[in-house]
Amino acid sequence: AQSVTQPDIHITVSEGASLELRCNYSYGATPYLFWYVQSPGQGLQLLLKYFSGDTLVQGIKGFEAEFKRSQSSFNLRKPSVHWSDAAEYFCAVIGSQKLVFGQGTRLTINP
Amino acid sequence: GAGVSQSPSNKVTEKGKDVELRCDPISGHTALYWYRQSLGQGLEFLIYFQGNSAPDKSGLPSDRFSAERTGGSVSTLTIQRTQQEDSAVYLCASSFSSGYRTDTQYFGPGTRLTVL
Repeated sequence: AQSVTQPDIHITVSEGASLELRCNYSYGATPYLFWYVQSPGQGLQLLLKYFSGDTLVQGIKGFEAEFKRSQSSFNLRKPSVHWSDAAEYFCAVIGSQKLVFGQGTRLTINP
Repeated sequence: GAGVSQSPSNKVTEKGKDVELRCDPISGHTALYWYRQSLGQGLEFLIYFQGNSAPDKSGLPSDRFSAERTGGSVSTLTIQRTQQEDSAVYLCASSFSSGYRTDTQYFGPGTRLTVL
């Protein structure tokens, strides 16, 4: 069965610092991978997705993610975070029409 | 509409009561999904609809949970005889078609259910 692991429950970074959120997946076939962000009291917003092709994908709000099949990883990165990036981030893989999510990583930004 | 809408945004109920949660998907989206977000279990799939039929109900936690979709649009998730463990945020999502795994699912703001 497919699964997603986000090893870091909570990360704190300073504003302007770089960010990397980790995601590892388990899936038998070609994985279709997503990163969503959830701000307090809000629904989930899609940041980016990977289906095939270039393993480095660009998303909204300056985020990017790199698919590494050999490491079963799909880590999310941003070169310089802003206070507005404080939120919870979810990595997901799609199985048979349903998304399977990781436990999420809560990002706190220090001024 | 511009996005997925859900109502109510918050619902407080007493243990044993029935509740209905509503989801209005993006116009033209044929696929609709319900997920539940709780502290202990994270984000879990409940059920999905293609049109008015539900090919996958595997995530419904018990027979107290049911959902329907009428006219290929609005969906209602019903929880009968609510229990405290049903307290969670219920999220609805829609996509253009569930025939392709590549279709993006767009989420609504959720309904926060509190069972006292």
